[in-house]
Amino acid sequence: GAVVSQHPSRVICKSGTSVKIECRSLDFQATTMFWYRQFPKKSLMLMATSNEGSKATYEQGVEKDKFLINHASLTLSTLTVTSAHPEDSSFYICSATWTGPEAFFGQGTRLTVV
Amino acid sequence: ELKVEQNPLFLSMQEGKNYTIYCNYSTTSDRLYWYRQDPGKSLESLFVLLSNGAVKQEGRLMASLDTKARLSTLHITAAVHDLSATYFCAVLPGAQKLVFGQGTRLTINP
Repeated sequence: GAVVSQHPSRVICKSGTSVKIECRSLDFQATTMFWYRQFPKKSLMLMATSNEGSKATYEQGVEKDKFLINHASLTLSTLTVTSAHPEDSSFYICSATWTGPEAFFGQGTRLTVV
Repeated sequence: ELKVEQNPLFLSMQEGKNYTIYCNYSTTSDRLYWYRQDPGKSLESLFVLLSNGAVKQEGRLMASLDTKARLSTLHITAAVHDLSATYFCAVLPGAQKLVFGQGTRLTINP
């Protein structure tokens, strides 16, 4: 199957700093990329949908100024958590789709804000 | 609003037993996905069901889809410890955004 690479897998940052998470489709061109957040023992919560070259569409309740998404190319999307605070600590997962019916998921990023 | 509900949410079973996880969804969709998630890991795709009556099997897992009943099942046959994980179903309606169920945490005891 297609591969989606997400980096870093783990990151610890200080409160008030910003963190960038990358999501790359390695062997296909992703028409759409999705960013999810997952709280412990909960399901995935969609944060935003991004298409290459256009602004991301954020889900209701997600702060677009806090979670900056850039989809600069068909193989790369980034999520930047700005001015991170402990409540932003979570597991973040990206996924990518192309013309087929499947969505392919990255390995996830465990963010801890101290 | 589309709702995807899994049942049960927690399941503890013994090795060698059979069991079924149910996934109900509230609106029309021809695509139904099953994923597995191990602790601390991302999602692993298990099955993609694309039409009414679709049935797919991989090892001890078998998934089926009834679009008229808006129901999918994930059947586990002769469970083994390695199948312990959280299983999610997800639906892809016309809006092109996956909507996930709550997840079923499966624990298989030796």
